[in-house]
Amino acid sequence: AQKVTQAQTEISVVEKEDVTLDCVYETRDTTYYLFWYKQPPSGELVFLIRRNSFDEQNEISGRYSWNFQKSTSSFNFTITASQVVDSAVYFCALFNNAGNMLTFGGGTRLMVKP
Amino acid sequence: EPEVTQTPSHQVTQMGQEVILRCVPISNHLYFYWYRQILGQKVEFLVSFYNNEISEKSEIFDDQFSVERPDGSNFTLKIRSTKLEDSAMYFCASSGTANYGYTFGSGTRLTVV
Repeated sequence: AQKVTQAQTEISVVEKEDVTLDCVYETRDTTYYLFWYKQPPSGELVFLIRRNSFDEQNEISGRYSWNFQKSTSSFNFTITASQVVDSAVYFCALFNNAGNMLTFGGGTRLMVKP
Repeated sequence: EPEVTQTPSHQVTQMGQEVILRCVPISNHLYFYWYRQILGQKVEFLVSFYNNEISEKSEIFDDQFSVERPDGSNFTLKIRSTKLEDSAMYFCASSGTANYGYTFGSGTRLTVV
């Protein structure tokens, strides 16, 4: 069975602070894919990143960076110099080929205050 | 950029009524999905659809639910007799391969009264 845990249900920071959102996953598959989605107040799911289990390189995209550690089954997401527009719920998700589905974590609500 | 389109954006229905939620996936995608998010909770998988049949479904997807791809472009989710607990945001998604290009629509908020 697959499981994704986002232990932080809510984080509040002040603008320009760095913030890291944690994601820990469980799977028996050797090949799997990890995703991060952003859900702003308007409700849609915005794709941020997809990472396959064979690629442990960290990735940086502007103020966003991701740290994939297979040894600890974690795929953490860092926002550098946070902005008010980053306020949203962020979901980590795990895709397995066998089930052909995404398993989502419970989400982390990030509030960035001016 | 190609989009997954869902209609309507918001639907209110009376308990016991049938509803059909509509989705237009990205045109060259082959895999189609429905997910549900009860307000304030996580996104939950309902069903995946490939090659004109259901490939996987969750325990949420009981006999009250059905999916169809009636005309090669639309992908619909039907709830036969809605219950109050069906109130949620329903997301359609499509992907080109099973794990790549996974794109969500903007969702249909279903309110059952």
